[in-house]
Amino acid sequence: DVKVTQSSRYLVKRTGEKVFLECVQDMDHENMFWYRQDPGLGLRLIYFSYDVKMKEKGDIPEGYSVSREKKERFSLILESASTNQTSMYLCASRLSGDNEQFFGPGTRLTVL
Amino acid sequence: AQRVTQPEKLLSVFKGAPVELKCNYSYSGSPELFWYVQYSRQRLQLLLRHISRESIKGFTADLNKGETSFHLKKPFAQEEDSAMYYCALKGVSGGYQKVTFGIGTKLQVIP
Repeated sequence: DVKVTQSSRYLVKRTGEKVFLECVQDMDHENMFWYRQDPGLGLRLIYFSYDVKMKEKGDIPEGYSVSREKKERFSLILESASTNQTSMYLCASRLSGDNEQFFGPGTRLTVL
Repeated sequence: AQRVTQPEKLLSVFKGAPVELKCNYSYSGSPELFWYVQYSRQRLQLLLRHISRESIKGFTADLNKGETSFHLKKPFAQEEDSAMYYCALKGVSGGYQKVTFGIGTKLQVIP
């Protein structure tokens, strides 16, 4: 069973803080993704990574960065959190060449 | 550019009634289409994919390339079908495989 875990279910931060969201998968998947999920906007891709130390911008990368130092871990970084980054953040992983993405439980981030 | 359109944010049906969740797509190549589902307090998970031509939990979806649609159907809705449903398209963009999700449709099955 693929397991994708995220470090926090709920997180409250203040404007201007640096925020780290961690995602770990235990199935040796090459591909990992960060999305944000907002009502009426669906899932929007922030960043993705197809291999260790590799990263590519998604559709809405502004205000975010990522780190993939190890295959199993993909971190999303908010350099200076803003209120418009209040959202549900979903991490996903996928075996290269496969179709199905496996999602984590999500982190609900509130920026005050 | 690839795009997925789900025209309904909310669909309410009575238990036992037929369900059709609409999905239209825009993509210049040969697409791969999926439906993902998120039940209350659970993580997003794959429901079905068009290449498998399978029926999962009574749901089916047929890819209609002429109408660029991939509607999700079930003949008799059950209360446990109440969830958020996302249509997704996998294509190639900028040299990478990319999955684009629709905005989602909340299905509410009324007892």
